[in-house]
Amino acid sequence: GAGVSQSPRYKVTKRGQDVTLRCDPISSHATLYWYQQALGQGPEFLTYFNYEAQPDKSGLPSDRFSAERPEGSISTLTIQRTEQRDSAMYRCASSHREGSEAFFGQGTRLTVV
Amino acid sequence: GQQVMQIPQYQHVQEGEDFTRYCNSSTTLSNTQWYKQRPGGHPVFLIQLVKSGEVKKQKRLTFQFGEAKKNSSLHITATQTTDVGTYFCAGARDDKIIFGKGTRLHILP
Repeated sequence: GAGVSQSPRYKVTKRGQDVTLRCDPISSHATLYWYQQALGQGPEFLTYFNYEAQPDKSGLPSDRFSAERPEGSISTLTIQRTEQRDSAMYRCASSHREGSEAFFGQGTRLTVV
Repeated sequence: GQQVMQIPQYQHVQEGEDFTRYCNSSTTLSNTQWYKQRPGGHPVFLIQLVKSGEVKKQKRLTFQFGEAKKNSSLHITATQTTDVGTYFCAGARDDKIIFGKGTRLHILP
């Protein structure tokens, strides 16, 4: 697509529920990043993909967080058994290759109540 | 772990004054990048510097990468109200991009 698209834009969920966030990157981009951004803070690295490979998931806060990119295009970030501390903006970005300029989507604002 | 640090996190400047922000990394970077995020928006890429000591200009903005490839700077000449936003530096190492906490720039009329 023309830009990075994330859905949903807003998600409110009850504590303990699972949520799945979706990212559709720029079609020609090999690399896809997931970040978590708290209000007033910078994007915190969660994980990234190079096509369908996931070379680094060191930023995932716990084993409740997982991400997939099975066909090297669309990616999902799943949070199981959500907790209130998971409330944040989740941002996806894609780039032509690893480490090069990143293009961000609008983000998904997750609120756990 | 790898850290990219920006201080301070907030700065107020009078319109027309210059603004400079520094960014430091604990490790050598493959490149440094700067992004701008307007209130309510998402980070938007501004520039990437790759070479040691590299300097790039975009109109009133000047970016520099340190000789050791561990620090970088952003300088805005004669700030305008359109410069309002949060400026993030980021560094690439081991193929992932790590962001600093950002500096929020307020322009006083």
